[in-house]
Amino acid sequence: ETGVTQSPTHLIKTRGQQVTLRCSSQSGHNTVSWYQQALGQGPQFIFQYYREEENGRGNFPPRFSGLQFPNYSSELNVNALELDDSALYLCASTNPLGVGANVLTFGAGSRLTVL
Amino acid sequence: QKEVEQDPGPLSVPEGAIVSLNCTYSNSAFQYFMWYRQYSRKGPELLMYTYSSGNKEDGRFTAQVDKSSKYISLFIRDSQPSDSATYLCAMDTGGFKTIFGAGTRLFVKA
Repeated sequence: ETGVTQSPTHLIKTRGQQVTLRCSSQSGHNTVSWYQQALGQGPQFIFQYYREEENGRGNFPPRFSGLQFPNYSSELNVNALELDDSALYLCASTNPLGVGANVLTFGAGSRLTVL
Repeated sequence: QKEVEQDPGPLSVPEGAIVSLNCTYSNSAFQYFMWYRQYSRKGPELLMYTYSSGNKEDGRFTAQVDKSSKYISLFIRDSQPSDSATYLCAMDTGGFKTIFGAGTRLFVKA
């Protein structure tokens, strides 16, 4: 089975720009979550999508938005980029029928640098 | 106060040592406790998963959860240089959000 793949792996943007990050979830996993990991910190929950609907959201402003598609792939969009948005953005998929809750399979992440 | 506290290290040990990694937490509603391992330039990967209190062993790894003290631990026996990574504790209430610690950087010297 394939794992979680994310693109792009690295990108550089300037303050005020917009960015779209993409994720293909693991086969059979219909729930996708996005996390932000700042340097030296643990991942912070942004939001989760289940069956193309936002299922829950962390403490992030509305300029962070997402989409999930019928094939369970997903996008994270960030508008009006700020310097503090520089981080590793991680996509994780979950099979809710699997063992336990929120056992996450992560991709390698997209590293965003905002100048 | 953060919901999950974890000493960021770094922790440096010789090969073959027993490693103890710990986290404390404040939310008594947490029911699921996980340890993830993250190598440099990679995403986290699940190492251990425990429901409620107790111990769980998998090869050289043992996870312990003490809900009365709000304290979880991961022990690594016979540590290897390949164990050098950042170890993240994580927990959730069974909902949609997983809360991670800051991660402890571990270096195992050959």
